[in-house]
Amino acid sequence: NAGVTQTPKFQVLKTGQSMTLQCAQDMNHNSMYWYRQDPGMGLRLIYYSASEGTTDKGEVPNGYNVSRLNKREFSLRLESAAPSQTSVYFCASSLAGTSHEQYFGPGTRLTVT
Amino acid sequence: EDQVTQSPEALRLQEGESSSLNCSYTVSGLRGLFWYRQDPGKGPEFLFTLYSAGEEKEKERLKATLTKKESFLHITAPKPEDSATYLCAVQGGGGSYIPTFGRGTSLIVHP
Repeated sequence: NAGVTQTPKFQVLKTGQSMTLQCAQDMNHNSMYWYRQDPGMGLRLIYYSASEGTTDKGEVPNGYNVSRLNKREFSLRLESAAPSQTSVYFCASSLAGTSHEQYFGPGTRLTVT
Repeated sequence: EDQVTQSPEALRLQEGESSSLNCSYTVSGLRGLFWYRQDPGKGPEFLFTLYSAGEEKEKERLKATLTKKESFLHITAPKPEDSATYLCAVQGGGGSYIPTFGRGTSLIVHP
């Protein structure tokens, strides 16, 4: 069981470039999430997918898009990267959206110059 | 709006010196309170879920308790390997799929 995997681990982008962060889980979980973590700000939810075929905005969705490709995979896209998007990004999954703990991936450290 | 406040922000202990971390919360209809451990450069790792006031859970040197307003993570005789950031999160009622996280307590245990 790999749990939650994320690629890439590190990425440097120039302002205006685009990229997609990939996430996959092998725990047959229904719900998946994308967070960003910044010093002093804690974990902030960007987007989530309660179940396959649905996606919803979280606390800080601006500048991001997501795709729930299938039950296993949930990708995060930055269409035109900005320095304010420099952060560590975590993908997580849970069995269902309510009352269940989340399992996190190892994170992607993104720097936008 | 659900709110979570963790205290202290940082805690330094000597090996073997027991202490507690606090998580105060405001939520409409608690569905679950979660504790996670996060090591530097890694994703949060699930520790405990508590569902109702009076509930307690233990794992090795850690014990989590819950009241209607707060949760405590008690660390008994900590070791240096317990050094990490501990995160608390709550999930409220109303069908929301969005948990609310606190900013965490950074724990350092000195040998």
